[in-house]
Amino acid sequence: KAGVTQTPRYLIKTRGQQVTLSCSPISGHRSVSWYQQTPGQGLQFLFEYFSETQRNKGNFPGRFSGRQFSNSRSEMNVSTLELGDSALYLCASSGTGASYEQYFGPGTRLTVT
Amino acid sequence: QQQVKQSPQSLIVQKGGISIINCAYENTAFDYFPWYQQFPGKGPALLIAIRPDVSEKKEGRFTISFNKSAKQFSLHIMDSQPGDSATYFCAASSKGTYKYIFGTGTRLKVLA
Repeated sequence: KAGVTQTPRYLIKTRGQQVTLSCSPISGHRSVSWYQQTPGQGLQFLFEYFSETQRNKGNFPGRFSGRQFSNSRSEMNVSTLELGDSALYLCASSGTGASYEQYFGPGTRLTVT
Repeated sequence: QQQVKQSPQSLIVQKGGISIINCAYENTAFDYFPWYQQFPGKGPALLIAIRPDVSEKKEGRFTISFNKSAKQFSLHIMDSQPGDSATYFCAASSKGTYKYIFGTGTRLKVLA
């Protein structure tokens, strides 16, 4: 099975712009979670989607949003970018059932200048 | 209460030695505890995970020890190899959720 894929892998944006990141989960996985990784704050949970519905949300401002499509692919959007949004954005997918294993993609490295 | 405290921040081990990384939590609602390995430029990769109904789980050279009463769990890497040099993260999640709370990470270096 192919793993989690994320596009683009690298992105440079300017303050005030908006950005959309994409994630394709492992085939058959219906849950997609997003995390932000920075040297200062570590890995922080952004939100989780299952069957096109947001099930959980972390403590991030409303500038961070996401959605999931009927094929389980997910996008996250950050509006009005700030310098502090520079980070590695990771997507993780999970299957159904009793296991709560999450499998991460390679991430999108976002740099805000 | 949502935090997971991880130590040490960095660790240097000789090849063939045992690497031990510790994590502690406060939230008794946590019931799933995975460990991830991350190499530079890559996403975290799931190594091994445990639930609180067992005290130890072993997969190859990797072992999780879990102490429910102390609310602590640890990763042991036996016969550490230079290829194990990476950053390791512990995490925890509550029953029924995929919202992981991660530790701050341990940078492991295994000397050849």
